[in-house]
Amino acid sequence: DSGVTQTPKHLITATGQRVTLRCSPRSGDLSVYWYQQSLDQGLQFLIQYYNGEERAKGNILERFSAQQFPDLHSELNLSSLELGDSALYFCASSGSGQGAVGYTFGSGTRLTVV
Amino acid sequence: GQNIDQPTEMTATEGAIVQINCTYQTSGFNGLFWYQQHAGEAPTFLSYNVLDGLEEKGRFSSFLSRSKGYSYLLLKELQMKDSASYLCAATNDYKLSFGAGTTVTVRA
Repeated sequence: DSGVTQTPKHLITATGQRVTLRCSPRSGDLSVYWYQQSLDQGLQFLIQYYNGEERAKGNILERFSAQQFPDLHSELNLSSLELGDSALYFCASSGSGQGAVGYTFGSGTRLTVV
Repeated sequence: GQNIDQPTEMTATEGAIVQINCTYQTSGFNGLFWYQQHAGEAPTFLSYNVLDGLEEKGRFSSFLSRSKGYSYLLLKELQMKDSASYLCAATNDYKLSFGAGTTVTVRA
C-alpha cells in the first residue's frame, strides 16, 4: 500500500456522461498530481494542486476539471465523456518542497467509456 | 516543450543484460527518473539522476549525461519478473514528463 488511495478502481460509463475520480494523498502530503495514461500514449500530466490551490496545468481538456478540498483529498471531474477518454488515471502525491522527488503514485482508476 | 524518446520494445534472455536508452529535450530540466510499470498497475520508482554519471542500485543502474540529453537504464541478471514497461521521465521539479515507455520481455 503506497498510502495514496484512489477510488473507484474501475469505472465503466457511457459517452456523454460525467464521472468523478477521487484521490486521497499520503498522510502529510500537500501536493496532488493527476496523470492520464491512454493505450497509445504515455503518462500525461494533467494538473497539480498544492494545499487547496491549483499550482500547475498540463494537457487537461476543458471538459475536465479538478479540485482539492480542505482535507487535502482531490477529485478529478470528467464530463461529456468520449470514447477517447478511456484510460488509466493516476494520482500522485508529494510532500511540501519535495516535488517530483517525493512522488508516490496511487494504484489508479481505469475508466472505460462505451 | 517536452520531448522524451525511448525504444518501444526490447527482448532479452533470462540472466542477460539489457540497456534501455532515453533521450530528452525539455525546458527547466532538474533530473531524470526511471520507473517500472507492470500492465494495469502504478509506476514504481527505480532511480533518479540529477548529476552526470552512473548510479548503481543492485541489479539496476542508471546513467545520465545532461550535456547530451541522454540517459540509460541498465538491467543486469535479468529475471522473468523484470518483464514490464520501463518509463523514462524528466522533471522540472514538480511535474514529470514521461516517455511512452519501453516494453521489456524476458524470455527463458
